[in-house]
Amino acid sequence: SQQGEEDPQALSIQEGENATMNCSYKTSINNLQWYRQNSGRGLVHLILIRSNEREKHSGRLRVTLDTSKKSSSLLITVSRAADTASYFCATDSTGYKLSFGAGTTVTVRA
Amino acid sequence: NAGVTQTPKFQVLKTGQSMTLQCAQDMNHNSMYWYRQDPGMGLRLIYYSASEGTTDKGEVPNGYNVSRLNKREFSLRLESAAPSQTSVYFCASLAGDEFIGAYEQYFGPGTRLTVT
Repeated sequence: SQQGEEDPQALSIQEGENATMNCSYKTSINNLQWYRQNSGRGLVHLILIRSNEREKHSGRLRVTLDTSKKSSSLLITVSRAADTASYFCATDSTGYKLSFGAGTTVTVRA
Repeated sequence: NAGVTQTPKFQVLKTGQSMTLQCAQDMNHNSMYWYRQDPGMGLRLIYYSASEGTTDKGEVPNGYNVSRLNKREFSLRLESAAPSQTSVYFCASLAGDEFIGAYEQYFGPGTRLTVT
């Protein structure tokens, strides 16, 4: 069964705006990862946050993790048309298997 | 460095036909995975191989078999295809292992399979 659930399912924003999506999960984790998938392509790893971390930054990406609420958020700042994609959270509870959510589809309008 | 490669990119099968999806990685990763992706359902793990010579079932293994031919290659076989197996199939390999903790997975471009 899928561990992570993203919210919202879809998001449409104007170029230059920020995009925020959330992920909730059910069991304890070692780390949580976010991936991006452009239409018709494979997934690409964006960022990993460990269970003992609360916030992590990578370029225009900011990820937070609240293990007490079993939730994470991904913020993309100053969005660009190239950020149009589906974004998936994936939880690692075993050390070698990931459990993916259904994803958030982000559309950035020019 | 090609990363993870998959063949074929597209395939149409008739119900009952068999086929093998090929996957190879050139990053010297120990662990490899097969997922299927269906609309609105994210990725579901079919089988994985934590190391050469070992394979284990994932969430949805029924109707599939796998072979870890060597460290580079991990194939997925459909013995008797069914319309329910129409999906996009992704192969991935893992940077990291169960002893030091998982890191990111690297994905291939996918195989779009239609079973009629």
